[in-house]
Amino acid sequence: TQLLEQSPQFLSIQEGENLTVYCNSSSVFSSLQWYRQEPGEGPVLLVTVVTGGEVKKLKRLTFQFGDARKDSSLHITAAQPGDTGLYLCAGEQTSGSRLTFGEGTQLTVNP
Amino acid sequence: DAGVIQSPRHEVTEMGQEVTLRCKPISGHNSLFWYRQTMMRGLELLIYFNNNVPIDDSGMPEDRFSAKMPNASFSTLKIQPSEPRDSAVYFCASSLVGRAGELFFGEGSRLTVL
Repeated sequence: TQLLEQSPQFLSIQEGENLTVYCNSSSVFSSLQWYRQEPGEGPVLLVTVVTGGEVKKLKRLTFQFGDARKDSSLHITAAQPGDTGLYLCAGEQTSGSRLTFGEGTQLTVNP
Repeated sequence: DAGVIQSPRHEVTEMGQEVTLRCKPISGHNSLFWYRQTMMRGLELLIYFNNNVPIDDSGMPEDRFSAKMPNASFSTLKIQPSEPRDSAVYFCASSLVGRAGELFFGEGSRLTVL
């Protein structure tokens, strides 16, 4: 059983469209991270959220942590081909403990 | 500044051979993690060290896998003997102790066992 469930697993859209990726769990997390991974490279940290209900923005990317700290979403506005990649959510159940990754959402943005 | 450095980037070997993967963490980081990534299972934590001491090795698949961290700037992951099902991309990551969510990953070592 996957501790963190991501949906959708695959997403292919046209440049300029908006999209939302979800990360859900039945467990509470002390913090949750979003990473992006491009082919042939390691994941790169995009953001950390720690407070229930927290919203963080990174240019066209908006990250939200659920009020109960069990889920999170990533919204991309006006997607660009450069946004293409594998988006991974990850969570710490207690501060400083091991990080658990979701299976990822493979996003393709077509020009 | 140099990031996490892994070697080799690619390795192709035959079943039964010994494989050694190497990692140099970011200077000043005192936690080091070994992950394995496959299409079927995603990213799995194998083992992690705090201040060169192994803390949790529950993700190590079996006795064929071993990891060492002899000093703060070097770690190895060894597979002996290797099997085809070990084929995967192995990532090393480092962070500050207590900041396990904020990992800096290397570019990975792609292992193919024939």
